Amino acid sequence: EVQMLESGGGLVQPGGSLRLSCAASGFTFSTSGITWVRQAPGKGLEWVSSIIVSGGTTFYADSVKGRFTISRDTSASTVYLQMSSLRVEDTAVYYCAKVWGSWYFDHWGRGTLVTVSS
Amino acid sequence: SFELTQPPSVSVSPGQTARITCSGDALPRKYAFWYQQKPGQAPVLVIYDDNERPSGIPERFSGSTSGTVATLTISGAQVEDEADYYCYSTESSGHQRVFGGGTKLTVL
Repeated sequence: EVQMLESGGGLVQPGGSLRLSCAASGFTFSTSGITWVRQAPGKGLEWVSSIIVSGGTTFYADSVKGRFTISRDTSASTVYLQMSSLRVEDTAVYYCAKVWGSWYFDHWGRGTLVTVSS
Repeated sequence: SFELTQPPSVSVSPGQTARITCSGDALPRKYAFWYQQKPGQAPVLVIYDDNERPSGIPERFSGSTSGTVATLTISGAQVEDEADYYCYSTESSGHQRVFGGGTKLTVL
């Protein structure tokens, strides 16, 4: 059974940093893609970043480019999202999801809440 | 920047057909995907590759694309289909992924 488990969310001040983790299981992690999608309170879904695990190729939304870094640890089947220079508008539930087929997201975690506030 | 545009809300009575549209300039060249999200839950894929239905998704869900508009159709909508629906696609270069703003489907 495919499982995606996010962790690392919490309260952080504007300008601060936080690292989210996404632990994956139930599929061949080394040949997969993993993505982060966020949802601000009461708002819609926003794609944030993706990584192709095998080659490490990364993609970012313009709204986080230069502030967020996605990376992976294949030995731990885990993807990280390092978030820096956080802004109030980064407040959201962050989901990680497995990429499949023509680059869609077929299995999602339950999400982790990031709150940026002073 | 690449955008996908959805109507904010659609309302139908149980048993009627609900149609939710998604418009975007790259849709003639890129697949459209649809997600259902109920309150407090993670999104669930209901349509992929424009018109394919994942296993476990009821047959009443279907997708189509014509030009720059993708459409999610729920034939004979049920009360349990009440949810937010999001379209998703990629821009032409394939580097940016985008969700539509979402459509709240009310079935009552």
